[in-house]
Amino acid sequence: EPEVTQTPSHQVTQMGQEVILRCVPISNHLYFYWYRQILGQKVEFLVSFYNNEISEKSEIFDDQFSVERPDGSNFTLKIRSTKLEDSAMYFCASSWGGADTQYFGPGTRLTVL
Amino acid sequence: EDQVTQSPEALRLQEGESSSLNCSYTVSGLRGLFWYRQDPGKGPEFLFTLYSAGEEKEKERLKATLTKKESFLHITAPKPEDSATYLCAVQVRPFNSKLTFGKGITLSVRP
Repeated sequence: EPEVTQTPSHQVTQMGQEVILRCVPISNHLYFYWYRQILGQKVEFLVSFYNNEISEKSEIFDDQFSVERPDGSNFTLKIRSTKLEDSAMYFCASSWGGADTQYFGPGTRLTVL
Repeated sequence: EDQVTQSPEALRLQEGESSSLNCSYTVSGLRGLFWYRQDPGKGPEFLFTLYSAGEEKEKERLKATLTKKESFLHITAPKPEDSATYLCAVQVRPFNSKLTFGKGITLSVRP
């Protein structure tokens, strides 16, 4: 069964460093998403991406964040200068259509020291 | 502002003791309501999508229902392996693909 994969599973970084989180969405899906979940809190939407551009973003997704689909299979989230409060689980998701079920990856745990 | 509230926050059941989890929502216009299961340290795993009031979906011991204000996830004769956090999320009209999640309900089933 097709699934969303994410790498790495755990990333530790120093405050102020850049990180790139990687995702491989389900192959025939057209919509891609990033969500995050701070420990003990709800899952929060960051950004949606369709047709090689951002279709929607939340207030959390400020200028420090960017997304890219560098090739036909990968979808990345870059945080330019990490802050302590960026520590969270980051989930990638994909769906065939914008109103269809979103399937989530296993997540990347980001720890900022 | 779209809001999703889940209750109770935590639920402990004995194996075989049926119960229901509640998800109430306040949105401008519901496009779809989604139930996910999340195990500790894992990503949300899709369970059901409901689109209109009166709709029901069923899978093994789980049954999801939808009204105009809330959704219920009924668990019949639960087993210890049903222990997880159950997340409810909504997608709203006119066209908004993002999911707005509730805080989740942590279910523990004792053998």
